[in-house]
Amino acid sequence: DQQVKQNSPSLSVQEGRISILNCDYTNSMFDYFLWYKKYPAEGPTFLISISSIKDKNEDGRFTVFLNKSAKHLSLHIVPSQPGDSAVYFCAAGYGNKLVFGAGTILRVKS
Amino acid sequence: GAVVSQHPSRVICKSGTSVKIECRSLDFQATTMFWYRQFPKQSLMLMATSNEGSKATYEQGVEKDKFLINHASLTLSTLTVTSAHPEDSSFYICSAPLFSSTDTQYFGPGTRLTVL
Repeated sequence: DQQVKQNSPSLSVQEGRISILNCDYTNSMFDYFLWYKKYPAEGPTFLISISSIKDKNEDGRFTVFLNKSAKHLSLHIVPSQPGDSAVYFCAAGYGNKLVFGAGTILRVKS
Repeated sequence: GAVVSQHPSRVICKSGTSVKIECRSLDFQATTMFWYRQFPKQSLMLMATSNEGSKATYEQGVEKDKFLINHASLTLSTLTVTSAHPEDSSFYICSAPLFSSTDTQYFGPGTRLTVL
């Protein structure tokens, strides 16, 4: 049972444009959500998080939007840079448990 | 940001041997650490929660006698894969939250285990 889904396995974006990564979840108990970036053979790096009581959180080029009624969140990266190319995992948490999506490979072309 | 290290980064072992992986929080204390594994092209899956001073709690389907976890101190947790088999080959990653167990988790760089 996949509680957190990232339906797009990959995304290709031109440098300078916006990257939008999507994530859906099914468990209403999740009360915080995070995005991680991961390079091959490395551990995930925390990017940005959002509490379930908010619908938007912004940090520099990264913005996370949460739509609780749709059980959907998205990560916007603008402007996209070639160094943003990596695998992006969305994760949903309740208590001390984190459930990860399968990841989306982002390629930013220069 | 907080730093979590893992050792070794890569290990190759023979089937039937045991392998120990260390996870350290370098600049903060962690009463709780988490162990994940990742198969190729798949998501990170939580294996167990390591608790300093008490037994680890394992996720459903994870064999506690095969994956031994010891939270030796406030900065060190170890995962021992006992009697390793080729199907145990995977990428093992630990994480630790900075403050409470519900805080943002910081991940180690991972350990690539290959069992021949």
